[in-house]
Amino acid sequence: DQQVKQNSPSLSVQEGRISILNCDYTNSMFDYFLWYKKYPAEGPTFLISISSIKDKNEDGRFTVFLNKSAKHLSLHIVPSQPGDSAVYFCATYPLSGAGSYQLTFGKGTKLSVIP
Amino acid sequence: KAGVTQTPRYLIKTRGQQVTLSCSPISGHRSVSWYQQTPGQGLQFLFEYFSETQRNKGNFPGRFSGRQFSNSRSEMNVSTLELGDSALYLCASSLDRASSPLHFGNGTRLTVT
Repeated sequence: DQQVKQNSPSLSVQEGRISILNCDYTNSMFDYFLWYKKYPAEGPTFLISISSIKDKNEDGRFTVFLNKSAKHLSLHIVPSQPGDSAVYFCATYPLSGAGSYQLTFGKGTKLSVIP
Repeated sequence: KAGVTQTPRYLIKTRGQQVTLSCSPISGHRSVSWYQQTPGQGLQFLFEYFSETQRNKGNFPGRFSGRQFSNSRSEMNVSTLELGDSALYLCASSLDRASSPLHFGNGTRLTVT
Protein backbone atom coordinates (compact mmCIF):
# COMPACT_ATOMS: atom_id res chain seq x y z
CA ASP A 1 0.00 0.00 0.00
CA GLN A 2 1.58 3.24 -1.19
CA GLN A 3 1.76 5.80 1.58
CA VAL A 4 3.07 8.51 -0.74
CA LYS A 5 1.54 8.90 -4.19
CA GLN A 6 2.58 10.96 -7.15
CA ASN A 7 -0.25 10.30 -9.54
CA SER A 8 1.28 11.90 -12.62
CA PRO A 9 4.16 9.80 -13.98
CA SER A 10 5.08 12.57 -16.40
CA LEU A 11 4.51 16.27 -17.09
CA SER A 12 5.48 18.47 -20.04
CA VAL A 13 5.71 22.24 -19.68
CA GLN A 14 6.85 25.04 -21.96
CA GLU A 15 9.96 26.95 -20.95
CA GLY A 16 9.08 30.02 -18.90
CA ARG A 17 5.73 28.66 -17.72
CA ILE A 18 4.86 27.24 -14.31
CA SER A 19 5.42 23.57 -13.48
CA ILE A 20 3.19 22.12 -10.76
CA LEU A 21 4.03 18.71 -9.34
CA ASN A 22 1.65 17.05 -6.92
CA CYS A 23 1.97 14.55 -4.11
CA ASP A 24 -0.55 12.92 -1.76
CA TYR A 25 0.15 11.02 1.45
CA THR A 26 -1.95 8.86 3.70
CA ASN A 27 -0.09 8.64 7.02
CA SER A 28 -0.87 11.51 9.39
CA MET A 29 2.36 10.74 11.31
CA PHE A 30 4.35 12.26 8.44
CA ASP A 31 5.26 15.81 9.36
CA TYR A 32 8.34 16.68 7.35
CA PHE A 33 8.17 16.76 3.57
CA LEU A 34 10.91 17.06 0.99
CA TRP A 35 11.25 17.32 -2.77
CA TYR A 36 14.18 15.82 -4.61
CA LYS A 37 15.25 16.09 -8.23
CA LYS A 38 17.01 13.20 -9.91
CA TYR A 39 18.95 12.93 -13.16
CA PRO A 40 19.74 9.49 -14.63
CA ALA A 41 22.79 7.80 -13.10
CA GLU A 42 22.94 10.35 -10.26
CA GLY A 43 21.60 10.37 -6.73
CA PRO A 44 18.58 12.48 -5.78
CA THR A 45 19.41 16.14 -5.15
CA PHE A 46 17.58 17.89 -2.31
CA LEU A 47 15.49 20.83 -3.54
CA ILE A 48 13.24 22.15 -0.81
CA SER A 49 11.43 20.98 2.30
CA ILE A 50 8.56 21.96 4.56
CA SER A 51 7.52 20.94 8.03
CA SER A 52 3.90 20.50 9.01
CA ILE A 53 3.82 23.72 11.06
CA LYS A 54 4.00 25.68 7.79
CA ASP A 55 1.82 25.72 4.70
CA LYS A 56 4.31 27.31 2.31
CA ASN A 57 8.06 27.49 1.82
CA GLU A 58 9.90 29.34 -0.95
CA ASP A 59 13.42 29.09 -2.25
CA GLY A 60 14.10 31.04 -5.41
CA ARG A 61 12.08 29.58 -8.27
CA PHE A 62 10.81 26.71 -6.09
CA THR A 63 7.81 26.89 -3.76
CA VAL A 64 6.30 24.02 -1.83
CA PHE A 65 2.73 24.16 -0.55
CA LEU A 66 1.35 21.88 2.12
CA ASN A 67 -2.35 21.24 2.76
CA LYS A 68 -2.42 19.09 5.89
CA SER A 69 -6.17 18.61 5.98
CA ALA A 70 -6.10 17.22 2.44
CA LYS A 71 -2.79 15.41 3.01
CA HIS A 72 -1.52 17.01 -0.16
CA LEU A 73 1.59 18.89 -1.14
CA SER A 74 2.73 20.48 -4.36
CA LEU A 75 5.93 21.87 -5.82
CA HIS A 76 5.73 24.94 -8.04
CA ILE A 77 8.63 25.86 -10.32
CA VAL A 78 8.43 29.35 -11.83
CA PRO A 79 9.69 30.03 -14.42
CA SER A 80 10.48 26.54 -15.70
CA GLN A 81 13.82 26.09 -17.45
CA PRO A 82 15.08 23.27 -19.70
CA GLY A 83 17.62 22.33 -17.01
CA ASP A 84 14.71 21.52 -14.71
CA SER A 85 13.94 18.46 -16.84
CA ALA A 86 14.41 15.53 -14.46
CA VAL A 87 12.45 13.11 -12.29
CA TYR A 88 11.02 14.76 -9.18
CA PHE A 89 10.39 12.75 -6.04
CA CYS A 90 8.23 13.68 -3.12
CA ALA A 91 9.46 12.19 0.19
CA THR A 92 8.48 12.37 3.82
CA TYR A 93 9.26 11.16 7.32
CA PRO A 94 7.90 11.66 10.83
CA LEU A 95 9.98 14.09 12.89
CA SER A 96 9.78 11.95 16.00
CA GLY A 97 9.10 8.41 17.04
CA ALA A 98 9.47 5.30 14.97
CA GLY A 99 10.58 5.94 11.42
CA SER A 100 12.18 9.32 11.96
CA TYR A 101 14.90 10.00 9.33
CA GLN A 102 13.41 7.10 7.33
CA LEU A 103 12.24 8.60 4.06
CA THR A 104 9.17 7.24 2.31
CA PHE A 105 9.26 8.20 -1.36
CA GLY A 106 6.66 8.60 -4.06
CA LYS A 107 7.28 6.90 -7.41
CA GLY A 108 8.33 10.16 -9.04
CA THR A 109 7.12 12.49 -11.80
CA LYS A 110 9.23 12.98 -14.91
CA LEU A 111 9.21 16.66 -15.82
CA SER A 112 10.10 17.71 -19.37
CA VAL A 113 10.57 21.42 -19.98
CA ILE A 114 10.27 22.18 -23.69
CA PRO A 115 12.38 25.06 -25.03
CA LYS B 1 32.18 20.89 1.44
CA ALA B 2 32.44 17.47 -0.19
CA GLY B 3 29.20 15.61 -0.76
CA VAL B 4 28.31 12.02 0.04
CA THR B 5 30.79 9.69 -1.64
CA GLN B 6 29.91 6.15 -2.60
CA THR B 7 32.26 3.50 -3.93
CA PRO B 8 32.37 1.72 -6.24
CA ARG B 9 30.08 3.38 -8.82
CA TYR B 10 29.47 0.16 -10.72
CA LEU B 11 29.68 -3.48 -9.74
CA ILE B 12 28.89 -6.73 -11.52
CA LYS B 13 28.50 -9.86 -9.43
CA THR B 14 27.28 -13.40 -9.93
CA ARG B 15 24.32 -15.00 -8.15
CA GLY B 16 25.36 -16.44 -4.80
CA GLN B 17 28.27 -14.07 -4.27
CA GLN B 18 28.38 -11.37 -1.64
CA VAL B 19 29.12 -7.68 -2.05
CA THR B 20 30.17 -4.75 0.15
CA LEU B 21 29.36 -1.15 -0.72
CA SER B 22 30.97 1.85 0.93
CA CYS B 23 29.70 5.31 1.84
CA SER B 24 31.46 8.39 3.23
CA PRO B 25 28.97 10.97 4.56
CA ILE B 26 29.22 14.73 4.43
CA SER B 27 31.62 15.97 7.10
CA GLY B 28 29.74 16.51 10.36
CA HIS B 29 26.81 14.31 9.38
CA ARG B 30 26.37 11.44 11.81
CA SER B 31 23.21 9.84 10.44
CA VAL B 32 23.74 7.57 7.43
CA SER B 33 20.94 5.78 5.57
CA TRP B 34 20.82 3.33 2.70
CA TYR B 35 18.17 3.06 0.00
CA GLN B 36 17.56 0.70 -2.90
CA GLN B 37 16.15 1.99 -6.19
CA THR B 38 14.61 -0.39 -8.71
CA PRO B 39 12.29 0.35 -11.64
CA GLY B 40 9.47 -1.66 -10.12
CA GLN B 41 9.62 -0.69 -6.45
CA GLY B 42 11.08 2.80 -6.65
CA LEU B 43 13.19 4.09 -3.78
CA GLN B 44 12.97 1.91 -0.69
CA PHE B 45 14.56 2.37 2.71
CA LEU B 46 17.06 -0.27 3.81
CA PHE B 47 18.46 0.94 7.15
CA GLU B 48 19.71 3.98 9.05
CA TYR B 49 22.71 4.26 11.36
CA PHE B 50 23.69 6.81 13.95
CA SER B 51 26.71 6.63 16.23
CA GLU B 52 27.53 3.12 15.01
CA THR B 53 24.04 1.88 15.97
CA GLN B 54 21.26 0.82 13.64
CA ARG B 55 18.26 2.98 14.51
CA ASN B 56 15.82 1.99 11.79
CA LYS B 57 15.51 -0.97 9.48
CA GLY B 58 13.35 -1.39 6.41
CA ASN B 59 11.55 -4.45 5.20
CA PHE B 60 14.43 -6.32 3.59
CA PRO B 61 15.69 -9.86 4.25
CA GLY B 62 18.57 -10.54 6.61
CA ARG B 63 20.92 -10.95 3.64
CA PHE B 64 21.10 -7.16 3.67
CA SER B 65 23.19 -5.79 6.50
CA GLY B 66 25.19 -2.72 7.30
CA ARG B 67 27.44 -1.08 9.78
CA GLN B 68 28.76 2.34 10.69
CA PHE B 69 32.24 3.16 11.88
CA SER B 70 33.34 5.68 14.50
CA ASN B 71 34.15 8.22 11.76
CA SER B 72 30.52 7.90 10.51
CA ARG B 73 31.57 6.10 7.34
CA SER B 74 29.23 3.23 6.54
CA GLU B 75 29.23 -0.01 4.63
CA MET B 76 26.40 -2.22 3.51
CA ASN B 77 26.73 -5.87 2.67
CA VAL B 78 24.51 -8.16 0.64
CA SER B 79 25.17 -11.87 0.93
CA THR B 80 24.01 -14.70 -1.32
CA LEU B 81 23.15 -12.34 -4.13
CA GLU B 82 19.98 -12.91 -6.16
CA LEU B 83 19.10 -11.56 -9.60
CA GLY B 84 16.49 -9.32 -7.98
CA ASP B 85 19.17 -7.53 -5.99
CA SER B 86 20.22 -5.73 -9.17
CA ALA B 87 19.54 -2.10 -8.35
CA LEU B 88 20.98 1.34 -7.67
CA TYR B 89 22.03 1.48 -4.01
CA LEU B 90 22.01 4.97 -2.59
CA CYS B 91 23.56 6.26 0.59
CA ALA B 92 22.33 9.44 2.28
CA SER B 93 23.62 11.43 5.22
CA SER B 94 22.08 14.09 7.42
CA LEU B 95 22.59 16.07 10.57
CA ASP B 96 20.90 14.41 13.51
CA ARG B 97 18.54 17.31 13.99
CA ALA B 98 14.82 17.76 13.41
CA SER B 99 13.92 18.94 9.91
CA SER B 100 17.30 18.06 8.45
CA PRO B 101 17.20 17.00 4.82
CA LEU B 102 18.97 13.87 3.70
CA HIS B 103 21.71 14.39 1.11
CA PHE B 104 22.38 11.54 -1.28
CA GLY B 105 25.46 10.20 -3.01
CA ASN B 106 25.41 9.17 -6.66
CA GLY B 107 24.94 5.54 -5.78
CA THR B 108 26.44 2.18 -6.64
CA ARG B 109 24.89 0.41 -9.61
CA LEU B 110 24.90 -3.31 -8.78
CA THR B 111 24.22 -5.84 -11.52
CA VAL B 112 23.77 -9.48 -10.54
CA THR B 113 24.12 -12.02 -13.36
